[in-house]
Amino acid sequence: DAKTTQPPSMDCAEGRAANLPCNHSTISGNEYVYWYRQIHSQGPQYIIHGLKNNETNEMASLIITEDRKSSTLILPHATLRDTAVYYCIVRAGGAGAQKLVFGQGTRLTINP
Amino acid sequence: DAGITQSPRHKVTETGTPVTLRCHQTENHRYMYWYRQDPGHGLRLIHYSYGVKDTDKGEVSDGYSVSRSKTEDFLLTLESATSSQTSVYFCAISEASSYEQYFGPGTRLTVT
Repeated sequence: DAKTTQPPSMDCAEGRAANLPCNHSTISGNEYVYWYRQIHSQGPQYIIHGLKNNETNEMASLIITEDRKSSTLILPHATLRDTAVYYCIVRAGGAGAQKLVFGQGTRLTINP
Repeated sequence: DAGITQSPRHKVTETGTPVTLRCHQTENHRYMYWYRQDPGHGLRLIHYSYGVKDTDKGEVSDGYSVSRSKTEDFLLTLESATSSQTSVYFCAISEASSYEQYFGPGTRLTVT
């Protein structure tokens, strides 16, 4: 699975959009971009994933560049409960893709 | 939230004693996983199951065994606990190997 690079920490004001970048320059054609977050002492929570098109769900939006070498997770109106470590994971699709490889992630702090 | 429970949530045990952790799901998902999370290592896959009685090793399987006699239950056993197995253990489930995984609340295990 391709390696990802994320900033170690970010701050965002409550009510503003939080934009979390991820670099995955070695991604290959069959690899998806997944985002998870982990709120302190809880299990990781799935947020969203995509292959090459932008995706949106009730939690967030995922913007993937045309060359697929980077992506941005957008939390449109951040709240204090969004304070967490956010993980960008690149993972192959298809049978046998069991393991999720969690890196160090980005520690996002939402400030009042 | 996905219907995943883990028991016990906290356990303290002595070196050399056997320990069994239980993961229970109500989603009827085929795949179940056990991860451990340690500072500086992120989440690492211990074992996973792709069906009743079907299991396979992950990247850190030494010292652990698993069993799955029913779709809804996946047990992780430490035959003889060691201090290096002090960790937070997370169970996860997914419908298929390449699909998103949903995590349980975790079990904090301390081996003294």
